[in-house]
Amino acid sequence: QVQLQQWGAGLLKPSETLSLTCAVYGGSFSGYYWSWIRQPPGKGLEWIGEINHSGSTNYNSSLKSRVTISVDTSKNQFSLKLSSLTAADTAVYYCARGNLQLWSAWGQGTLVIVYS
Amino acid sequence: DIQMTQSPPSVSASVGDRVTITCRASQDISSWLAWYQQKPGKAPTLLIYAASSLQSGVPSRFSGSGSGTDFTLTINSLQPEDSATYYCQQANSFTFGPGTTVDIK
Repeated sequence: QVQLQQWGAGLLKPSETLSLTCAVYGGSFSGYYWSWIRQPPGKGLEWIGEINHSGSTNYNSSLKSRVTISVDTSKNQFSLKLSSLTAADTAVYYCARGNLQLWSAWGQGTLVIVYS
Repeated sequence: DIQMTQSPPSVSASVGDRVTITCRASQDISSWLAWYQQKPGKAPTLLIYAASSLQSGVPSRFSGSGSGTDFTLTINSLQPEDSATYYCQQANSFTFGPGTTVDIK
């Protein structure tokens, strides 16, 4: 049974960089794409980007200029960095395991608030 | 880009009722459609993939149908634990619908 556990700073200021990490326990790490998905308070889901064990990435075009997703296969972890934050980036951020653009396992979510 | 719409935005129904949620794609997506359930404060969970295939462990009262541009999620015999928001997702891209909230009367 795969489990995803995520962590990172939850209170940031405009222009700062968000940094989150997700650790994967159980199951295969190499057979999947690993995604970040966010959800602003009271709103819907937005895919941010994904990475596989080889480091191959895909990003949402609307966020691509500010997003970096990286992987550490020695620890079965992957990370998200989102730069130049604004209040519009306030959201719950989820990590998730993907296969053929289907997400069957999710982290618990991290609320990130951008405040001035 | 393909856009996804859902209707209704919200529905209120009684325990035991049948609930139907519709998802429409702006162009033909064959059967590349998934449904997720999200309860308040929790991460989404995958219910259905390939438009009509039930994810392992999901109760059989959930079913999906459709192809092309029009899809349906049906909850037969609604249970109290089905109170949630349901999202469709175009499953060969990364686009979600806006969601439908199901409340229990």
